[in-house]
Amino acid sequence: GEDVEQSLFLSVREGDSSVINCTYTDSSSTYLYWYKQEPGAGLQLLTYIFSNMDMKQDQRLTVLLNKKDKHLSLRIADTQTGDSAIYFCAEGDTGRRALTFGSGTRLQVQP
Amino acid sequence: DAGVIQSPRHEVTEMGQEVTLRCKPISGHDYLFWYRQTMMRGLELLIYFNNNVPIDDSGMPEDRFSAKMPNASFSTLKIQPSEPRDSAVYFCASRDRAEAFFGQGTRLTVV
Repeated sequence: GEDVEQSLFLSVREGDSSVINCTYTDSSSTYLYWYKQEPGAGLQLLTYIFSNMDMKQDQRLTVLLNKKDKHLSLRIADTQTGDSAIYFCAEGDTGRRALTFGSGTRLQVQP
Repeated sequence: DAGVIQSPRHEVTEMGQEVTLRCKPISGHDYLFWYRQTMMRGLELLIYFNNNVPIDDSGMPEDRFSAKMPNASFSTLKIQPSEPRDSAVYFCASRDRAEAFFGQGTRLTVV
């Protein structure tokens, strides 16, 4: 079945770049997603990438996809304290099934 | 669009009582998902619908859980009778082709 794995915790200093990594197993994945969850809140869709793309950039966010290795990363440039949250990686296909989520990476930004 | 709307935001109930969670998906989205989030198990898919039809309910933990989608703009998740181990945050999400958006969740506490 589908499986998505992430490291549990990342700590960075304010102003540095953060890189959150994710691996997935399903080769039929069409979309790869990054969500952000702040305490007590829902999951906010940050960005997603088609599986036939290598990179997507959106302001401070850069998503890199290595389809051969089934590896996805999210880079946050100039990380701010407001970026402290849990970041979830997820994969899905064209809609025939639900998204499969990783366990989330807690990002702690130190001032 | 106001996004995915869930109600109530918080629910505290006594063990054995019936609980009904409600969700209004984003207009035009043809997929609706119910997830449960706990510290121990992370995000779990309970059930999802396509065009109001349940497609996969294999994640529903027990017969005490039931979900309906009587029309494209409304879904319910019912727990009867509720138990303390059902305490969790329940999320509803809706999806168009690529983007999947989550509601703010219902925090359920069964005492």
